[in-house]
Amino acid sequence: SQKIEQNSEALNIQEGKTATLTCNYTNYSPAYLQWYRQDPGRGPVFLLLIRENEKEKRKERLKVTFDTTLKQSLFHITASQPADSATYLCAYGGDSSYKLIFGSGTRLLVRP
Amino acid sequence: DTEVTQTPKHLVMGMTNKKSLKCEQHMGHRAMYWYKQKAKKPPELMFVYSYEKLSINESVPSRFSPECPNSSLLNLHLHALQPEDSALYLCASSQAAESSYNSPLHFGNGTRLTVT
Repeated sequence: SQKIEQNSEALNIQEGKTATLTCNYTNYSPAYLQWYRQDPGRGPVFLLLIRENEKEKRKERLKVTFDTTLKQSLFHITASQPADSATYLCAYGGDSSYKLIFGSGTRLLVRP
Repeated sequence: DTEVTQTPKHLVMGMTNKKSLKCEQHMGHRAMYWYKQKAKKPPELMFVYSYEKLSINESVPSRFSPECPNSSLLNLHLHALQPEDSALYLCASSQAAESSYNSPLHFGNGTRLTVT
């Protein structure tokens, strides 16, 4: 069955460092991946979308890569700040473009 | 604040009660979604409406009944729920479901439901 996994349940880093979060997928080839941020008690907020024919996408301090050979997407936050602390979710379209399926999420904690 | 509004923010209901969750968006989106999220878990898709028609039901028990009165509104009617149904219920919308690859979801902040 199709699976999407975020390897790290939690990631702690020092302020100013680059946070790198991983999203792996198996048994299929998604046309795109999306990344969301979720704060406690709130709904997810869309951050970036990357298509299979795009190697890299950037938005301010955020960068997403998509490696179809490794079946992996990496999400980077450069110059991290305590305000970046949140859960980050990757998501892909399942067997229908109507269905956005989420990975388990990685809780990022940026220490001052 | 998000552009998708959900009410109420919190709801406590007994197992014999009937209640409804409401969701509203005014972005002109034609696809609307219900997701359920348990603590420390990702959102799980429940229902998708596309152009006000139910297009996906992820084998959700009949005690959850969705309704889309018009393109801006989405309801979730609840009846005879179980304590394990306690969760955060999230509503989302997107421009068009069939092109969700370039139509990211806009989520509301959810209704925190507790079933006693």
